Amino acid sequence: QKEVEQDPGPLSVPEGAIVSLNCTYSNSAFQYFMWYRQYSRKGPELLMYTYSSGNKEDGRFTAQVDKSSKYISLFIRDSQPSDSATYLCAMKRTGGFKTIFGAGTRLFVKA
Amino acid sequence: GAVVSQHPSWVICKSGTSVKIECRSLDFQATTMFWYRQFPKQSLMLMATSNEGSKATYEQGVEKDKFLINHASLTLSTLTVTSAHPEDSSFYICSANPQGGNEQFFGPGTRLTVL
Repeated sequence: QKEVEQDPGPLSVPEGAIVSLNCTYSNSAFQYFMWYRQYSRKGPELLMYTYSSGNKEDGRFTAQVDKSSKYISLFIRDSQPSDSATYLCAMKRTGGFKTIFGAGTRLFVKA
Repeated sequence: GAVVSQHPSWVICKSGTSVKIECRSLDFQATTMFWYRQFPKQSLMLMATSNEGSKATYEQGVEKDKFLINHASLTLSTLTVTSAHPEDSSFYICSANPQGGNEQFFGPGTRLTVL
């Protein structure tokens, strides 16, 4: 079993839809949770960074962490064609050296 | 803030030559930098972790003599692909951790094509 599981998709939605992206993990020691967006042939860009459980909102993006269920989510409201990209979840434990990445979910937002 | 640059952004070389890729943190100091490789439509594959002033730690299956990593300062790490072959063609991405931080910030990537 992988430490971080993420459905690779692809996920296709119409413009304006609410998108829900999710990851599950197995290591309860993870405390830092991140979401990255990667456009084709570009490096990943940090979108959201959260510590421990709870919600964090930034514009159209909301990140949720449920440590009891070992489940994290990224919601995108009013999705736009420019949101079409691969979204990677990532997590790290306190004092850990490495960040563990999910496989990435490919999202297509159709105009 | 938190900008990481990579140079070159793309490179084409002949088989058997060596290629050096630079990764710089432009507005922060990074004690730790990471090098990844990514094939089309696949996720990131961590190759090695480099710490300023010490030897890099390579992931299992990554040849340290082929992929030479140097982290000479708190803002610069280099990856040299020695005696490159067509199977080394890939997208190489570096990332950096700010000192005391847990987030990783990625460079834009370098596309290597070996003919």
